Amino acid sequence: EAGVAQSPRYKIIEKRQSVAFWCNPISGHATLYWYQQILGQGPKLLIQFQNNGVVDDSQLPKDRFSAERLKGVDSTLKIQPAKLEDSAVYLCASSSSSSGENTGELFFGEGSRLTVL
Amino acid sequence: AQSVSQHNHHVILSEAASLELGCNYSYGGTVNLFWYVQYPGQHLQLLLKYFSGDPLVKGIKGFEAEFIKSKFSFNLRKPSVQWSDTAEYFCAVNGRGGSYIPTFGRGTSLIVHP
Repeated sequence: EAGVAQSPRYKIIEKRQSVAFWCNPISGHATLYWYQQILGQGPKLLIQFQNNGVVDDSQLPKDRFSAERLKGVDSTLKIQPAKLEDSAVYLCASSSSSSGENTGELFFGEGSRLTVL
Repeated sequence: AQSVSQHNHHVILSEAASLELGCNYSYGGTVNLFWYVQYPGQHLQLLLKYFSGDPLVKGIKGFEAEFIKSKFSFNLRKPSVQWSDTAEYFCAVNGRGGSYIPTFGRGTSLIVHP
């Protein structure tokens, strides 16, 4: 079974530039998450999709971050314009929903490490 | 809202020592509980999980965790660590019955000296 795919693995940009990250979840997984992990901290949820609808985006800085999951499969997370404090690893995870309930068991990708200079 | 607290941020042990990492959560309802591990250079992966039933759960590589409902705790244990257990360990909680947002603790960095 193929895992969660993310790209790019590494990205270095200057502040005020834009960047986009891509994620392809495990086939059949209805729920997709984007987490931000700053060095020394645990993953913080940015946005959660159920199929192509947003379940929770309360912690997404909407003035600069956007995410979409067209067709309910792969997803893109964009940052525009980037700030220094956006330097982090952006993790994509997916989970299945058996019997209509999402257990919260996550399958993670390798992550995309962003450095903002 | 749910939150997770991990008490030990950095732990250094010698091989064969016993390990216990603390995890406490806050949530008003029923929860699913997880420990994830991130080995150097690898992605986060599931170590073990608790949904219901026996509160003592066993995971991969000899790890186990005990859910104590009265203490809102889900501590991770291993009787004898190995050098290969060097990794970051994250406790996570997912509230049931309406809140399906997996929330993570800040993690514990474990270094095991050979």
